[in-house]
Amino acid sequence: GESVGLHLPTLSVQEGDNSIINCAYSNSASDYFIWYKQESGKGPQFIIDIRSNMDKRQGQRVTVLLNKTVKHLSLQIAATQPGDSAVYFCAESQGAQKLVFGQGTRLTINP
Amino acid sequence: DARVTQTPRHKVTEMGQEVTMRCQPILGHNTVFWYRQTMMQGLELLAYFRNRAPLDDSGMPKDRFSAEMPDATLATLKIQPSEPRDSAVYFCASLITDTQYFGPGTRLTVL
Repeated sequence: GESVGLHLPTLSVQEGDNSIINCAYSNSASDYFIWYKQESGKGPQFIIDIRSNMDKRQGQRVTVLLNKTVKHLSLQIAATQPGDSAVYFCAESQGAQKLVFGQGTRLTINP
Repeated sequence: DARVTQTPRHKVTEMGQEVTMRCQPILGHNTVFWYRQTMMQGLELLAYFRNRAPLDDSGMPKDRFSAEMPDATLATLKIQPSEPRDSAVYFCASLITDTQYFGPGTRLTVL
């Protein structure tokens, strides 16, 4: 499924570099946050999540950072690979039920 | 490899026709969500069910859309009559613990 908008923010990185994708959320009562990756023609794929009682969580090659003071969420991808090219969405919710999605960021990898 | 499945993957229809989209959640997931994705609006929650009962359908146009879950293995989203503005990709997601897992989507085009 196409997930891009005409004015989707884009991040371009060199293959092998680290990528940082940022997201500002709006609801100070949100207690659950999640990152999804969406490739062209596919549904959103879960990457990593974090609860509001944490400020950092690590997965395989990915790290999510949460700053509740400024309502900011970031996704760090280490050693970016061509297969990381996609649109990345953050989402927030209260109680991990009704997710509210951000607009998405397109990540492109330069060889 | 448990996955959410959706049928059909693509649907082209004429304005005024009825459209039914189907979703099979991951076995054991008791909460199912329907989303719509467009270039302009991004990912929007339409409705969701828990244990087959509707919990929230406030995101769904009531006059033409209906969502049901006849049994634990099938969720349906119906549009009658369809309109060109309904053209979008419709995703189903099912929930285990706190994480929603998305299906591949149904791309609907209403002419």
